[in-house]
Amino acid sequence: EVQLVESGGGLVQPGGSLRLSCAASGFTFSTYSMHWVRQAPGKGLEWVSYISSSSSTIYYADSVKGRFTIFRDNAKNSLYLHMNSLRAEDTAVYYCAKDRPSVLGFDPWGQGTLVTVSS
Amino acid sequence: EIVLTQSPGTLSLSPGERATLSCRASQSVSSSFLAWYQQKPGQAPRLLMYGASRRATGIPDRFSGSGSGRDFTLTISRLEPEDFAVYYCQQCGGSPLYTFGQGTKLEI
Repeated sequence: EVQLVESGGGLVQPGGSLRLSCAASGFTFSTYSMHWVRQAPGKGLEWVSYISSSSSTIYYADSVKGRFTIFRDNAKNSLYLHMNSLRAEDTAVYYCAKDRPSVLGFDPWGQGTLVTVSS
Repeated sequence: EIVLTQSPGTLSLSPGERATLSCRASQSVSSSFLAWYQQKPGQAPRLLMYGASRRATGIPDRFSGSGSGRDFTLTISRLEPEDFAVYYCQQCGGSPLYTFGQGTKLEI
């Protein structure tokens, strides 16, 4: 069974940093691109970042560019999101999701980890 | 930026009825890059449709997708109690690379 499990969320002060992790199992992690998507409380979905299977291609949403860094360790079947200079508007549940090759589709998603930015 | 506008915002129906959800893009979108997701309270989104009209694994055939260009539709032929949720469309292309619609809440 394909499974994604996020961790690392919590309460952080504005301007602080946090690193999220996503542990993957049930598929050959090293051959799939991955995404981070977030959802602010009571709001819709916002794509955050993409990383290709070999880490050669990376994209960010403008809202996080320059502050967030996506990376992966294929040997550990893990995806990460390092978040710096956090703002109140970064408060959200952060999901990792597996990319579907050739056609658009994020499948599956992890259960999410909540990041709260507040003083 | 490609903006996806979903309508209606909220759809109130009863089990057994037919639901039609709309997703309109501000620019033409390739059908290969249009997906639909279902999200229930407290849960992660689940992929329903990819390539605009192809059901993801395990999705019942009462769900169907159609459309091209700027207009796409998700149809649920006969609503089951477990179908009441929020539905999002998504596209890939332009900047930002991926965008979601604002969602349609399907309620009893």
